[in-house]
Amino acid sequence: EMQLVESGGGLVQPNGSLKLSCAASGFTFNTYDMSWVRQSPGKGLGLVAGISIKSYNYATFYADSVKGRFTISRDDSQSMVYLQMNNMKTEDTALYYCTAGELGDWYFDFWGPGTMVTVSS
Amino acid sequence: DIQMTQSPASLSASLGETVTIECRASEDIYSNLAWYQQKPGNSPQLLIYDANSLADGVPSRFSGSGSGTQYSLKINSLQSEDVASYFCQQYNNYPTFGGGTKLELK
Repeated sequence: EMQLVESGGGLVQPNGSLKLSCAASGFTFNTYDMSWVRQSPGKGLGLVAGISIKSYNYATFYADSVKGRFTISRDDSQSMVYLQMNNMKTEDTALYYCTAGELGDWYFDFWGPGTMVTVSS
Repeated sequence: DIQMTQSPASLSASLGETVTIECRASEDIYSNLAWYQQKPGNSPQLLIYDANSLADGVPSRFSGSGSGTQYSLKINSLQSEDVASYFCQQYNNYPTFGGGTKLELK
């Protein structure tokens, strides 16, 4: 069974850092594009960052609102994807989902249950 | 970024009814459109991709259509388990989502 499980969420102060992890299982991880999508009551769903596969040189892209602050990475040997979040802002508060999609089409076949991130002093 | 406008924002319908949700893109997205269902307390699940292709395991009462900038999701013979929020998402350019439609039973 295809599974994505996020971890690493929590409460962080403004300007702080947090690293999210996502463990994947039940599918051929290294053939899927991986992404982080967040959902907040005020702003709905939004793609935060995405990373492609090795044969596409692990190409990455980011939402304008997180460029220079967040970094997505993946470890194909461990079937893991990460989101390093630095210089966090209150508007980063959201439920963060790890998602997987078939190569090249950036819709999301599978979603994890999500991990909550709260940025507050 | 391409803006996705969904309507209506909320909808109340009876069991067995046919429901239609609309999604309009701010520019042509060439059928690069997906629909998701999100039940309360759960993560979104893919229903439709490429505007009209049913994802694995999705009941045939769900269907998608449209082209250019106008797309729709139709649910035939509404069931109680269809109570959820529905979101469209374009992936012709940097992926963006619609604001969602909350579907309730009348």
